[in-house]
This record gives sequence, structure tokens and C-alpha cells, in this order.
Amino acid sequence: AQTVTQSQPEMSVQEAETVTLSCTYDTSESDYYLFWYKQPPSRQMILVIRQEAYKQQNATENRFSVNFQKAAKSFSLKISDSQLGDAAMYFCAYRSALNTGNQFYFGTGTSLTVIP
Amino acid sequence: DVKVTQSSRYLVKRTGEKVFLECVQDMDHENMFWYRQDPGLGLRLIYFSYDVKMKEKGDIPEGYSVSREKKERFSLILESASTNQTSMYLCASTPPRGPLHFGNGTRLTVT
Repeated sequence: AQTVTQSQPEMSVQEAETVTLSCTYDTSESDYYLFWYKQPPSRQMILVIRQEAYKQQNATENRFSVNFQKAAKSFSLKISDSQLGDAAMYFCAYRSALNTGNQFYFGTGTSLTVIP
Repeated sequence: DVKVTQSSRYLVKRTGEKVFLECVQDMDHENMFWYRQDPGLGLRLIYFSYDVKMKEKGDIPEGYSVSREKKERFSLILESASTNQTSMYLCASTPPRGPLHFGNGTRLTVT
């Protein structure tokens, strides 16, 4: 089974600064999807960004971007110009692109604190 | 936008009660999931369903069952609630090859 590892249980960043959350995964597949989810105190899990493994270009969504290193099996999330509303739990997730890829694999999360 | 609705935000039940957690999605997704979330353990898959009346066990199915009689509705059932089932429960749905869309969670306390 695939595994997803988030090695930073907690991170903090000053408001307006940049922070990078790390995620590594283990798979023998060549085609898959990677996601970052945000879970604020309201508990709603929100999709932040997605990356398709066959696309070499790193995905970006406004202040959020990823550094996808397929050979290294690394998928880090960079948050630029951090805002107080970015404070949340962040989860990295993997999904196979196979037709039977119904399962998602999650990391254990990184709790991000934004310091005013 | 996809909407996934969980019927209760908070529930308090007694040990031994039968508990139903309901989830409805409005985007005609084939796949629906029930996760349990506990601090330090991340999200753990309880059951998922890839079609009406079809289900598969996830990583922690013991003590739980599910029902999917209609495509839009996926129910999680605790046959006899126990205190170790006190947790946050998240429902989600997804199209093929897409991301998960989550409900806003049910915090269940079993006393």
C-alpha cells in the first residue's frame, strides 16, 4: 500500500512570510494524483491544490504552490505572504490514477500557526 | 460546487446505543467514503462505497457497518456504540480520478 509521510507535526510562520510544508510518499505507480487539504478550526476539509503526476509543471493556486519532485517522491506546499486565515491543519494525500484507485492515502498532518 | 452534507455536527450517545450518521452528496458521485479522525492519527478509512449497495472495508471497519441504498446517500452505522468510538467522523465523495469533497464532520461523543 502507498504511504504518505508528513514529518513536521507543527510549523509556525510570521504573518506575511513564506512557509513550506513537506510531504513525501512511497509508491511503485507512475500515474497518480497528489493533493493538499486545509482543515481550519471549523473542521471543514478544504482542497487547497492538486497535482497530476504526469504533469511536470508545478501547480499553483494564488499564494499556494507546490514543489513536486517525482523522482524523489516529494510534494511540498509553499504558502507565500502568510495570512492569519492560513492557520490550520494541512494534510497531504495521494490517489492512484488506476481505474481501481478509489482509495486515498493521507499523511498525519501538519499544524500551521501564523504569528501576527 | 459540490456539496456534501452530514446530518449532525455534534452527537452525544450512550454506550450500547445504535447510532446512525448520515451523509448526502449532490454531485452524482459514484464513490463515497467514511473516515474517522483522531489527533495524531490523521484520517483513517472506515468504509467506502463505489456504487449503490456496493461497499468495501477500509482500515478500521470493526464495530461499524454502512448502507448505500441510493447513490447520493451513504450512512455509517455504529451497531452498539462504545466509548472508544468517540471521535470526529468525516464523510466524503469523489468522482473518478478527482479530489475528495468533504462534509463538515460529525463530532460524536459516546458516554
